[in-house]
Amino acid sequence: KAGVTQTPRYLIKTRGQQVTLSCSPISGHRSVSWYQQTPGQGLQFLFEYFSETQRNKGNFPGRFSGRQFSNSRSEMNVSTLELGDSALYLCASSWGGGSLYNEQFFGPGTRLTVL
Amino acid sequence: SQQGEEDPQALSIQEGENATMNCSYKTSINNLQWYRQNSGRGLVHLILIRSNEREKHSGRLRVTLDTSKKSSSLLITASRAADTASYFCATSNAGNNRKLIWGLGTSLAVNP
Repeated sequence: KAGVTQTPRYLIKTRGQQVTLSCSPISGHRSVSWYQQTPGQGLQFLFEYFSETQRNKGNFPGRFSGRQFSNSRSEMNVSTLELGDSALYLCASSWGGGSLYNEQFFGPGTRLTVL
Repeated sequence: SQQGEEDPQALSIQEGENATMNCSYKTSINNLQWYRQNSGRGLVHLILIRSNEREKHSGRLRVTLDTSKKSSSLLITASRAADTASYFCATSNAGNNRKLIWGLGTSLAVNP
């Protein structure tokens, strides 16, 4: 069974631009979570989706948004990029109970650099 | 602030030795999860222990949970160089908008 895939793997953007990251979960997983990882703040929860609905949201500004499609694939978007948005963005999928109750399977991440 | 905080921040041991890392948390939990992250395999789930469990094993890994002390420990026995990684605990916060909150991790170096 294929693992969680994320595209692109690396991205370089400039301040003010916007970016869209994509995540394909493991087949059969309906819950997808997104995380931002930085050396200073560690792993921080962005949001979680289940069946195209946002189930939970972390403490990030509205510039960070996401969505989930009917095939469980998910995208996250960051608008008006800031230097502080440079990070590794990780996507994880799990069974229906979601990240709080189930093992999560993580993708390799998208390394975003904002110049 | 982190719900889970790992201790120590960094640990260096020789191959074959045991490694113990700890996680403390602040609020009541349903479960606590341990993950490992290294450059080769990314972030990988190790063990999930529920609040009504006190100990759980998986291969060379042993996790304990003490809800009265709000703490958990991860023991890796007979460590190998391949165990070199960062280890994170994750728990959920209390309240309505529950989400998984992660500690900053313990960086483990196993020297051959």
